[in-house]
Amino acid sequence: ETGVTQTPRHLVMGMTNKKSLKCEQHLGHNAMYWYKQSAKKPLELMFVYSLEERVENNSVPSRFSPECPNSSHLFLHLHTLQPEDSALYLCASSQKNRAFSYNEQFFGPGTRLTVL
Amino acid sequence: GQQVMQIPQYQHVQEGEDFTTYCNSSTTLSNIQWYKQRPGGHPVFLIQLVKSGEVKKQKRLTFQFGEAKKNSSLHITATQTTDVGTYFCAGRGDGGSQGNLIFGKGTKLSVKP
Repeated sequence: ETGVTQTPRHLVMGMTNKKSLKCEQHLGHNAMYWYKQSAKKPLELMFVYSLEERVENNSVPSRFSPECPNSSHLFLHLHTLQPEDSALYLCASSQKNRAFSYNEQFFGPGTRLTVL
Repeated sequence: GQQVMQIPQYQHVQEGEDFTTYCNSSTTLSNIQWYKQRPGGHPVFLIQLVKSGEVKKQKRLTFQFGEAKKNSSLHITATQTTDVGTYFCAGRGDGGSQGNLIFGKGTKLSVKP
């Protein structure tokens, strides 16, 4: 176990549904991330929350909405997704130090999302 | 924007053969990390390289960071079936983007016993 948990592990949803993915880290880290991993593309960074700041990849559609209520929890709210959004969604955490550099990222097991 | 290219995309080897994957960045990197993802699993951190020309070893794995800090390689000596998985490099650019990691597409290694 890496200390990063994700729920649910599998999710099937229709294009009109609203669902949320949850991530929790037990490592005391101060940065959390959402990545999308699909078959033909590299790991795509979607959102970063670090020291209460949010950084996002400008190419992420607005149908994905992150929420980070505290340093241990991260959510990804999904609304009116498309079939091409089907992928493995990975959460990760890391520690950002005073030199503004990040240590290694610890990934959760992922949520396998299928959009029908 | 910054890109990280990784080759080959796939590699099939006989158990006992060596394996190498290469990573190249379009820009200078402040550091580079390597991850391994087993089939059905999630990426697991292997190592981080920071210094120009740095070489690090972990048992049968040798990691190198180029002198110009734009390329890196992972070499596995005498592969075993437990080495099966996808190996990703991930580069962090110098400044900007708050230092977020850019991942290569990965090299998927299969090992025939």
